[in-house]
This record gives sequence, structure tokens and C-alpha cells, in this order.
Amino acid sequence: AQTVTQSQPEMSVQEAETVTLSCTYDTSESDYYLFWYKQPPSRQMILVIRQEAYKQQNATENRFSVNFQKAAKSFSLKISDSQLGDAAMYFCAYRTYFGNEKLTFGTGTRLTIIP
Amino acid sequence: EAGVAQSPRYKIIEKRQSVAFWCNPISGHATLYWYQQILGQGPKLLIQFQNNGVVDDSQLPKDRFSAERLKGVDSTLKIQPAKLEDSAVYLCASSLDPSGSYEQYFGPGTRLTVT
Repeated sequence: AQTVTQSQPEMSVQEAETVTLSCTYDTSESDYYLFWYKQPPSRQMILVIRQEAYKQQNATENRFSVNFQKAAKSFSLKISDSQLGDAAMYFCAYRTYFGNEKLTFGTGTRLTIIP
Repeated sequence: EAGVAQSPRYKIIEKRQSVAFWCNPISGHATLYWYQQILGQGPKLLIQFQNNGVVDDSQLPKDRFSAERLKGVDSTLKIQPAKLEDSAVYLCASSLDPSGSYEQYFGPGTRLTVT
């Protein structure tokens, strides 16, 4: 079974600075998807960024980028120029490439932005 | 495009009572998911529908939980009787095509408190 581990329950960063959230996962599959979701206090999960395992290039979305290390099974999220609106819970998630499409989530990291 | 709708947003019940949650996915989305998110944890899949058929209900406590998706559109999740450990946020999500890389879109969730 796949597992996702987020070892940082809480992180904080000064506004406009850069922060990196860590995620490791365990799987025996070679093809899969990895995601970072943001969950603000409103509880609605919002997709931040997605990475396909077969792609060597790290995904980027504006101020958000990932460092995907397939051999190490590591998938970290870097937020540049942090803004107050980035404050939320961030969840790393795994999904198989074929078959069952459920998301397997980590336990989350609460990100606080310090003005 | 309207998002995933869920109701109610909040519900407080006593243990041994019953409760039902409703979800209306994005129009045209074939796959519907119910996740349970206990405080301090990531969401965990309870059940997944493809149109009106069940794809995965392996984590659904079938002695007390039931779900249906009549006509392959909206869905209802029921708990009867509720236990204290059922206190959680229940998230509904939908996706367009289960075999592709399509994103899962989440609703705002229902926060259930069992006293």
C-alpha cells in the first residue's frame, strides 16, 4: 500500500520570503501522480500543483514549484514570495497512474505567514 | 462553472442518532468520491462511484455507513447510528474521467460533530 509522510506539522515564514514543505512517499509503482493541495480555513481543498512521475522536469505554477526526486521518493513544495493568502494547511497526495484513482494524503503541514 | 456543492456545512448530533450528507458534483463529472477527514489527519477515501456504480468502498464501515448515487449524479452519505469517532469533516469530490489525469475537485465539506 502507498503511504505519504509529511514530517513538518507546522511551518512559518515571513511574508515575501521563501519556504519549503517536505513530503516523502512509499510506493512500488513506477508510474503515478503526486499533488500538493491547499486547504484554507474554509475547508475547500484546492489543487496547487501536480507532478507526473514519468516527467523528469519539476512542475512549476507561478510562485509554487516542486523538487521531485523519484529515486529518493521525495516531493517537496517551494513557495516563493510568500503572501498572507498562502496561510493554510498543505497536503501532499499520491495517486496511482492506472486503475483506482483515489488520493492518498499525508497528514498535512500548517503554514503560517508572518506579516 | 459551478463547483461541487455539499450540504449541510455543519451538523451536530448525539451519538446513536442518524445523519445524512448530500453532494452534487460538477455537471458531467462521472466519478464521485467521499472522503473522511478526522481532525489533524489527511482525508481518507470512504467510497468512490463511477457513474452510479461503486468502484471502491473498502474503507467504508458498512455496518453504519451507507452511500448511494442514484441516476449517477448527486450522492447521499448516511451514518446510522453515529459514534463519537465519526466526528470529522466529510469531503465530496468529483472528477471528469477516472482513467485520465483529471483533477479531483472538492466541495467545501460538511463538519460533523457527534456528542
